[in-house]
Amino acid sequence: DAGVTQSPTHLIKTRGQQVTLRCSPKSGHDTVSWYQQALGQGPQFIFQYYEEEERQRGNFPDRFSGHQFPNYSSELNVNALLLGDSALYLCASSTDRVDLYPAQETQYFGPGTRLLVL
Amino acid sequence: GQNIDQPTEMTATEGAIVQINCTYQTSGFNGLFWYQQHAGEAPTFLSYNVLDGLEEKGRFSSFLSRSKGYSYLLLKELQMKDSASYLCAVRDDKIIFGKGTRLHILP
Repeated sequence: DAGVTQSPTHLIKTRGQQVTLRCSPKSGHDTVSWYQQALGQGPQFIFQYYEEEERQRGNFPDRFSGHQFPNYSSELNVNALLLGDSALYLCASSTDRVDLYPAQETQYFGPGTRLLVL
Repeated sequence: GQNIDQPTEMTATEGAIVQINCTYQTSGFNGLFWYQQHAGEAPTFLSYNVLDGLEEKGRFSSFLSRSKGYSYLLLKELQMKDSASYLCAVRDDKIIFGKGTRLHILP
């Protein structure tokens, strides 16, 4: 059973550039959430996609956008990169199926993409 | 506002027991999660509580009191591999994470 996968693992960009990060959810999962985790901090919720639409959004500017494809995979796009965007970007997949243990919408995380903006 | 508090760091000895506390203030509540995160790695799911009480899973247990906005994660028979950050997360309409507690295990 393949878990959550993300690509690339590492990325270096310069200020003002644009970046696209990719995520494939765990088999059987239909919901993808994106998080930004700065060093020494907990993950901060960016947004969540379900049925190819953004279902919820955290406190992130419009420079952060996303997409979900019919196969449930997802992309995170960040435009006009700032130095402060340097972080670990985590993708988490889940499902609302209540018959699945351990819990409704327990999130399973991918290994993350470490983005460095210079 | 939304707020989740947990200690920044804790230290314990191999073989001992440690309790990591988490308090939360959120506009809604639909469950509380605990995750383990080793340095440089993604968080991995440990436990989920939605009703008051204790959930036990091997060496790890998690407790919830919704009226007090309080949870703890209890780790027994500590092993060196338990050195990691432990994240408390509350599901409101979305999942909100605390900053994590870095646990150091001494031999």
